[in-house]
Amino acid sequence: GAGVSQSPSNKVTEKGKDVELRCDPISGHTALYWYRQSLGQGLEFLIYFQGNSAPDKSGLPSDRFSAERTGGSVSTLTIQRTQQEDSAVYLCASSSHGGGASSYEQYFGPGTRLTVT
Amino acid sequence: AQSVTQPDIHITVSEGASLELRCNYSYGATPYLFWYVQSPGQGLQLLLKYFSGDTLVQGIKGFEAEFKRSQSSFNLRKPSVHWSDAAEYFCAVNSGGYQKVTFGTGTKLQVIP
Repeated sequence: GAGVSQSPSNKVTEKGKDVELRCDPISGHTALYWYRQSLGQGLEFLIYFQGNSAPDKSGLPSDRFSAERTGGSVSTLTIQRTQQEDSAVYLCASSSHGGGASSYEQYFGPGTRLTVT
Repeated sequence: AQSVTQPDIHITVSEGASLELRCNYSYGATPYLFWYVQSPGQGLQLLLKYFSGDTLVQGIKGFEAEFKRSQSSFNLRKPSVHWSDAAEYFCAVNSGGYQKVTFGTGTKLQVIP
């Protein structure tokens, strides 16, 4: 089946503009993660969705960042009033939780490279 | 709360030499443990995982890792490194249920001829 997809693959925006990044997880995966990876840096956890539970937003760096997951599937990460320090690759991953040998293994999308000018 | 530590930020090895990347986790019970690799400009790929059973797990590309409960470690090893192994390696832990996966900060591996 299809893997995790993200769109757009690249986004260039002007400082102060809002952007939306999209993630389509693997069908049936209940867990969805967003990460940020700045140039040469490791993975920075942003937000975690699990089923119908309230998302874990503990990694969001500021209130300019928000995310939603509609119908337990597609997720959108929104960054308002973008700043240059928001430039990074934004990665989405999905996984199934709760049982089976493949549980908890994360499948990553190719990422969205965001450049704020 | 679960956490994972990768104490080595950068490691340089000669091609053909053996490799060991360290990973320590903090969690009371037996966690689920993972190693991922990210080649330059690429996404993350699962190398191997440990859930239960045999504490020595084999992965792709000739990698293996050993779970040592007494040391709270899950170190990644390869007997002979190839130039194509140059990448960043991430250890990750999950405590099961609906807890989120936690990643380490990564170890960048440089391979010299």
